[in-house]
Amino acid sequence: GDSVTQMEGPVTLSEEAFLTINCTYTATGYPSLFWYVQYPGEGLQLLLKATKADDKGSNKGFEATYRKETTSFHLEKGSVQVSDSAVYFCALISGGGADGLTFGKGTHLIIQP
Amino acid sequence: DTAVSQTPKYLVTQMGNDKSIKCEQNLGHDTMYWYKQDSKKFLKIMFSYNNKELIINETVPNRFSPKSPDKAHLNLHINSLELGDSAVYFCASSQADHNEQFFGPGTRLTVL
Repeated sequence: GDSVTQMEGPVTLSEEAFLTINCTYTATGYPSLFWYVQYPGEGLQLLLKATKADDKGSNKGFEATYRKETTSFHLEKGSVQVSDSAVYFCALISGGGADGLTFGKGTHLIIQP
Repeated sequence: DTAVSQTPKYLVTQMGNDKSIKCEQNLGHDTMYWYKQDSKKFLKIMFSYNNKELIINETVPNRFSPKSPDKAHLNLHINSLELGDSAVYFCASSQADHNEQFFGPGTRLTVL
């Protein structure tokens, strides 16, 4: 079945540091890939997505590129802020949308001032 | 306007009780979902439903059942609650030909 593996945290960085959160996947078919973010006490918000190989998703300074050859979708940001502290989930959906998202275990990011 | 809403936000109940969580979306989407997030933040699909088909994750106990009175609602009914059902439950929706899912704020269920 489909699976997503992402680095487990917590990941602690200083403000303005460079961020990378690794994500790799296995999937049948040709999945769409997502990063969701969950702020404390809230639901999940879509951060960015990519639907085909070499697509780059970007939003709020975050970027991720769909790499089919390495089955990866690593999340990056050049300069993190305290407000970026949250749990980040890599996810995929393959086949029809009715199958639901397959999530990684989440990475807790803590940004210190 | 809230796109996907859930009620209640918190639900505390005793073992053995039956409870329901309501979900409504005002996005005009035709597919809705329920996810369970455990204490370690792991998210897992429970159900997906559109007006044609219900897909059930095989690991979900049959004490859980989704009910859809109309296209905008997908409620979750849970019978004979157990301690292990304690979790945060998220509702989500999407349009059939788009994969992006929109999530509700979650319902934290605590079974005592």
